[in-house]
Amino acid sequence: QKEVEQNSGPLSVPEGAIASLNCTYSDRGSQSFFWYRQYSGKSPELIMFIYSNGDKEDGRFTAQLNKASQYVSLLIRDSQPSDSATYLCAVNLYFGNQFYFGTGTSLTVIP
Amino acid sequence: DAGITQSPRHKVTETGTPVTLRCHQTENHRYMYWYRQDPGHGLRLIHYSYGVKDTDKGEVSDGYSVSRSKTEDFLLTLESATSSQTSVYFCAISDMGGSSGANVLTFGAGSRLTVL
Repeated sequence: QKEVEQNSGPLSVPEGAIASLNCTYSDRGSQSFFWYRQYSGKSPELIMFIYSNGDKEDGRFTAQLNKASQYVSLLIRDSQPSDSATYLCAVNLYFGNQFYFGTGTSLTVIP
Repeated sequence: DAGITQSPRHKVTETGTPVTLRCHQTENHRYMYWYRQDPGHGLRLIHYSYGVKDTDKGEVSDGYSVSRSKTEDFLLTLESATSSQTSVYFCAISDMGGSSGANVLTFGAGSRLTVL
């Protein structure tokens, strides 16, 4: 069983819509949760992290964490064509050294 | 890329040859990591280091070795490259709860390796 599961997509949304990306994880020891964005041919860059149940907002991005259900999601409001990328979910166990990544969800925002 | 330099950025080599990838950081972070990224597999941890001369294996460490003789440098070596090691390799660093309040990974630009 993979540690982190994501729907690979592709997910397509029209410009201005809300994009919803989901991630589930298997280890209940997971403590920190991260969303990275990766443009084609580039390295992953951090969008935001969350470690408490509930919502965390940063600009157009909102991360949602539900530890009881073991899922974390990322909402992108007012989606822009520049948001077109692959979004990687990652978890960190016990605030330790190792991070586990999902395979990523490809998002396309259609102008 | 937040003070992380990977070299070489691109390399083509032949099966059976040794290859060394270098990661250099100027952030003075304690933790350094090597990941490989392949279609359908995502990012997988090869090895990581938690200090000078302190390293540990990740989930896909077979065929790879690492060394860290200085805080700023983390080397990944393929002793005898195979075609299955054709991949994009990312170095990452973390500050283990430093200024960001969380153990956040920051990635280098990546090294694309092709083994023929």
